[in-house]
Amino acid sequence: EAGVAQSPRYKIIEKRQSVAFWCNPISGHATLYWYQQILGQGPKLLIQFQNNGVVDDSQLPKDRFSAERLKGVDSTLKIQPAKLEDSAVYLCASSLGDAYNEQFFGPGTRLTVL
Amino acid sequence: AQRVTQPEKLLSVFKGAPVELKCNYSYSGSPELFWYVQYSRQRLQLLLRHISRESIKGFTADLNKGETSFHLKKPFAQEEDSAMYYCALNPRMGGATNKLIFGTGTLLAVQP
Repeated sequence: EAGVAQSPRYKIIEKRQSVAFWCNPISGHATLYWYQQILGQGPKLLIQFQNNGVVDDSQLPKDRFSAERLKGVDSTLKIQPAKLEDSAVYLCASSLGDAYNEQFFGPGTRLTVL
Repeated sequence: AQRVTQPEKLLSVFKGAPVELKCNYSYSGSPELFWYVQYSRQRLQLLLRHISRESIKGFTADLNKGETSFHLKKPFAQEEDSAMYYCALNPRMGGATNKLIFGTGTLLAVQP
């Protein structure tokens, strides 16, 4: 089966610019996650969707980050405006649901903010 | 606070030597613990979880609630085991969250 797809793979922007990342989960997976992985750290959950509803966004910096999953399938994560400290790899993952815990990860988008 | 600690950033061993990647967690409830692995140029993927109590690629991990540890072990390392290993905790606090809290990772380098 096809895995989690993400685009773009790399993005370089200047601070204060906007950027958006796209994720398409594995077909049939109800739960979608966005993680931020800063160099030298483990992934940190930003937001979790169950179908098109937000389950957990407690660590999402809502003043600049937003995410949506309008039709309960693919999702977009946006940063506006970007800061230097947003430089990281943004990982998308999906799982069948809450009861089945294995999360399948995408290749990630590497963001560099100059 | 919920936390996962992996004290070693890098672990270098020779092929055939035993491997132990350390993981300690901080959580007052009954967590679910996982090991994820990322091979060079590949995606992060699940290696094993404590509830399965299985051996994957020769690796095992036992949850020790008394020591709040979930160390990953393999008796004889292979060069293909070289990768980044992350320990992760799901606090399972109720509700629909399936949150994973990751450690900072340990890079395992197996020398020939």
